[in-house]
Amino acid sequence: GDSVTQMEGPVTLSEEACLTINCTYTATGYPSLFWYVQYPGEGLQLLLKATKADDKGSNKGFEATYRKETTSFHLEKGSVQVSDSAVYFCALSPPSGNTPLVFGKGTRLSVIA
Amino acid sequence: DAGVIQSPRHEVTEMGQEVTLRCKPISGHDYLFWYRQTMMRGLELLIYFNNNVPIDDSGMPEDRFSAKMPNASFSTLKIQPSEPRDSAVYFCASTSRRAGGPREQFFGPGTRLTVL
Repeated sequence: GDSVTQMEGPVTLSEEACLTINCTYTATGYPSLFWYVQYPGEGLQLLLKATKADDKGSNKGFEATYRKETTSFHLEKGSVQVSDSAVYFCALSPPSGNTPLVFGKGTRLSVIA
Repeated sequence: DAGVIQSPRHEVTEMGQEVTLRCKPISGHDYLFWYRQTMMRGLELLIYFNNNVPIDDSGMPEDRFSAKMPNASFSTLKIQPSEPRDSAVYFCASTSRRAGGPREQFFGPGTRLTVL
């Protein structure tokens, strides 16, 4: 079945460091891909998305590119801030769209000043 | 739009008591999902509905858990009797198939349940 694998956390970075959180997926066809963010004490919020190969999703300085050849959707940010401390989830929506999102296990990011 | 609304935000109860969690999805959304999140098990899908009909409840851990969706704007998740291992944050999410495009889900703020 469809699955998402993302790097284990926690990840601890200093402010202004570069961030990469790896995400790879297994799916039939062409799924849509998402990154969700969960700030402490809150629900998950959509951060960015991409619907087809080579699409780049971006939001709040974060970017991720849909790479069909490597089945990856890595999350990147050039300079993290303390306010980026959160748990990040990679997810896919099967092409049919009739089934729930498939989530990765989440990666906790802590940014220290 | 008010987003997905959940109540209560926090619930503390004693083992053996009945617990009812409530969710109001975004107006017009025809899919509703219930998730549970714990440190040990992460985010788990419990059950989801389409047009108020339960589609897949294979994630419901035991018969003590039940969920209903009597209409398009309201759903409940009930635990009876509750046990300490049910302590978790429970999220409700909704989405619309009719919207087209990727099926992003919109999450509520969650209910933090503590069973003593």
